[in-house]
Amino acid sequence: GIQVEQSPPDLILQEGANSTLRCNFSDSVNNLQWFHQNPWGQLINLFYIPSGTKQNGRLSATTVATERYSLLYISSSQTTDSGVYFCAVEGDNAGNMLTFGGGTRLMVKP
Amino acid sequence: KAGVTQTPRYLIKTRGQQVTLSCSPISGHRSVSWYQQTPGQGLQFLFEYFSETQRNKGNFPGRFSGRQFSNSRSEMNVSTLELGDSALYLCASSLRNYEQYFGPGTRLTVT
Repeated sequence: GIQVEQSPPDLILQEGANSTLRCNFSDSVNNLQWFHQNPWGQLINLFYIPSGTKQNGRLSATTVATERYSLLYISSSQTTDSGVYFCAVEGDNAGNMLTFGGGTRLMVKP
Repeated sequence: KAGVTQTPRYLIKTRGQQVTLSCSPISGHRSVSWYQQTPGQGLQFLFEYFSETQRNKGNFPGRFSGRQFSNSRSEMNVSTLELGDSALYLCASSLRNYEQYFGPGTRLTVT
C-alpha cells in the first residue's frame, strides 16, 4: 500500500517563529488532508489539498502531486499551535481509506 | 451544521468482554469510516461504510466488525477484547470520496 512519511517527527519553536512541515508519499493520490490533533484527541481539519496551494490565516499548504510531497507552513507560531500535525492521503482506488503519516509533534514555547 | 458525534467518549472494559461504539455522521454524509489510534501503530484504517455497505476493510482481525444503518449512523463492535485493543477509536464522515471530517473519538481502555 501507499507509504506516508512526515518530517520532522518533533519540532520545538519559540513563539513567533515560522516552520515548515513536510509530507512525502509513495504513490499518486486522490486526496490529501492536513490535520491538527488537539490534546483531547480530536482531529481538526486544516486543509484538503490533493494539489496546488491554499492559505488560511497564518497557515498555508502546498501539494506538488507530480513530485509526491506536501508542505504545511505555519507562520508567526503561537502556543495554541502546539500539538500533533498529521498528513493523510487516499491513494488511487483506495476507496475513501486514508493512510496517515506518523505525525509531527510541535511544541511552541512562550 | 452539527459535526460528527461519537458515543460514548470514554469506556473501560475487561479483557474478554465485547464493546459497541456509535458514530453519527454530519447530516447528508453517507460515508462513515473508522480508525484506531495507538501510540505504537499510529492511526490505522479499520473499515468504511457507504449506504449500509462495507466498501473497504483494513487489516484487522474478525473480532472487529461494523455496520451502518439507513440513517447513515454507524456502529463498530469489538468482541473478545484484548489488552492491545486499548486505543482511541475515531470515526469520520464524508460525502463520497471527498474531505473527511472526524468526530471527537471514543477512548477505550481494556483492563
